[in-house]
Amino acid sequence: NAGVTQTPKFQVLKTGQSMTLQCAQDMNHEYMSWYRQDPGMGLRLIHYSVGAGITDQGEVPNGYNVSRSTTEDFPLRLLSAAPSQTSVYFCASSPLRGGRGEQFFGPGTRLTVL
Amino acid sequence: AQKVTQAQTEISVVEKEDVTLDCVYETRDTTYYLFWYKQPPSGELVFLIRRNSFDEQNEISGRYSWNFQKSTSSFNFTITASQVVDSAVYFCALRRGAEKLVFGKGTKLTVNP
Repeated sequence: NAGVTQTPKFQVLKTGQSMTLQCAQDMNHEYMSWYRQDPGMGLRLIHYSVGAGITDQGEVPNGYNVSRSTTEDFPLRLLSAAPSQTSVYFCASSPLRGGRGEQFFGPGTRLTVL
Repeated sequence: AQKVTQAQTEISVVEKEDVTLDCVYETRDTTYYLFWYKQPPSGELVFLIRRNSFDEQNEISGRYSWNFQKSTSSFNFTITASQVVDSAVYFCALRRGAEKLVFGKGTKLTVNP
């Protein structure tokens, strides 16, 4: 099992550009989510999904879109990048039932918006 | 509203000292789960422990121990005989229901040789 994978690992964008951060998991987990990590702020939930076709907003959803067409993939789209979106982005997945209740995290994507 | 507070922003200790990381949470739910994650300098998030709200037994795993007290809404983490490899940012988190995870802001632990 590869677990949770994220691409790219690093990305530099200019203000106004759009891009998609990719996230995939091979554990057949129903639940997937995106967090951003900023210095001194911990991790904050952007969007999450409890299954294919179902998504919902987290704490800081503005400026981001998500979709969940398959169980495996949960891409995060930045529509028009802003310097305030400079952050490290983590994708996570977990089963809705069973397991130890932990969320499995990807390695992160470090995004810089100039 | 759910909230996790880690009042200690940074802690610095000398190797072999014991250190306790504090975590205080707020929730109105009767069923909830508490977690600790470790983020070493390499950046990945490593799961350490989960506790559910019905299990107040303390847990020990090697040099790590956790003290869960519902009466004070605290879930503290102690590292005994700290080592340089314990240097990391540690996050406490709270989960309501099946999915949403709310994180504290983290405590950066530096263990000096």
